[in-house]
Amino acid sequence: AQRVTQPEKLLSVFKGAPVELKCNYSYSGSPELFWYVQYSRQRLQLLLRHISRESIKGFTADLNKGETSFHLKKPFAQEEDSAMYYCALITSGTYKYIFGTGTRLKVLA
Amino acid sequence: EPEVTQTPSHQVTQMGQEVILRCVPISNHLYFYWYRQILGQKVEFLVSFYNNEISEKSEIFDDQFSVERPDGSNFTLKIRSTKLEDSAMYFCASRGIGGRYTEAFFGQGTRLTVV
Repeated sequence: AQRVTQPEKLLSVFKGAPVELKCNYSYSGSPELFWYVQYSRQRLQLLLRHISRESIKGFTADLNKGETSFHLKKPFAQEEDSAMYYCALITSGTYKYIFGTGTRLKVLA
Repeated sequence: EPEVTQTPSHQVTQMGQEVILRCVPISNHLYFYWYRQILGQKVEFLVSFYNNEISEKSEIFDDQFSVERPDGSNFTLKIRSTKLEDSAMYFCASRGIGGRYTEAFFGQGTRLTVV
């Protein structure tokens, strides 16, 4: 079965603290994973994708095939990081996304 | 920067009425999608559209739903006879070529409220 799991609905951290948003997946083929972010009242925006191994706004994510995980990390959270974060798996063929349920990150001053 | 545009931003309709949600994808994109998000739940795939036909649809996308790309620019989702459970945020997305490594771009969503 193709599935993405984000176990935390809400994660609250203090400004300057490290952040880790968890994502686990189930996919029979070779996975391609993305993180999308949705700031308040805005559209879903790509944050980063597994294939490019980039760091955007200080966030990184490493694909761990052994643990079937793609956790999102940032060493020092900023207040502007407060948003909804979605982990997504892209399928072969039609390239549709399978989304996790999302984690709301609240960064407290 | 080009964007996917959706109209209206909010639609209220009576149960049993037909609604059409409109999307203008990014102009050189080839793949088009509709997703929906019921309040408090995850974003779910509805349908994908490529080369002027549906390439995949989910179980949610039953006979009440249809999609069209009538004029080469707009991409519409029609719900023939709305039900209360159709109330949700509907997102349109488009993507260009590039296989699985290319991301989709999302519209800002249409909030559909069925009363």
